[in-house]
Amino acid sequence: EADIYQTPRYLVIGTGKKITLECSQTMGHDKMYWYQQDPGMELHLIHYSYGVNSTEKGDLSSESTVSRIRTEHFPLTLESARPSHTSQYLCASSEISGTEAFFGQGTRLTVV
Amino acid sequence: AQRVTQPEKLLSVFKGAPVELKCNYSYSGSPELFWYVQYSRQRLQLLLRHISRESIKGFTADLNKGETSFHLKKPFAQEEDSAMYYCAVLDSWGKFQFGAGTQVVVTP
Repeated sequence: EADIYQTPRYLVIGTGKKITLECSQTMGHDKMYWYQQDPGMELHLIHYSYGVNSTEKGDLSSESTVSRIRTEHFPLTLESARPSHTSQYLCASSEISGTEAFFGQGTRLTVV
Repeated sequence: AQRVTQPEKLLSVFKGAPVELKCNYSYSGSPELFWYVQYSRQRLQLLLRHISRESIKGFTADLNKGETSFHLKKPFAQEEDSAMYYCAVLDSWGKFQFGAGTQVVVTP
């Protein structure tokens, strides 16, 4: 079944650790996005991609990095996690000319 | 600055009462507008888009270009409408930009 998957769903990790949040979609979509969402706050676009080897920073500055080596995979990496990175991270995808974004379940990250 | 504004963080209404969620945008041109909904323990999903002029689950949204608003309305709220609602814009760069969201609580 076509879907978009995020792992892990929850992650508690210590300061200074390197982490990678996984996002995969089987929808054949070219565009993919990462949003950061603090409780009660808006979704902030932190990274997006138009396709393989395309990555762009979003409107909210983020210390994270992304890669797009395969169409279906769009991982997000934090080289050295800090408590300020504690948040929910949402991955989404859409067709290149599509007008609907499909979201994953999200990863709730806590850095202690 | 370009942004989507949802002025109400929380809306509490009684079952059967009308509900209106406000959304204003400040994007130039003619952006496409959407409402997304997130029910408890579910992922964020599309509710409706303005270009379709559709009514989904009894909700409608009218685009007012003069006021740059896209308010979401339902004449008779149901308990299953309790959820978080986000107004969103597809900007000229093809990116989805979201507001802060409005939590709707429908009490019996």
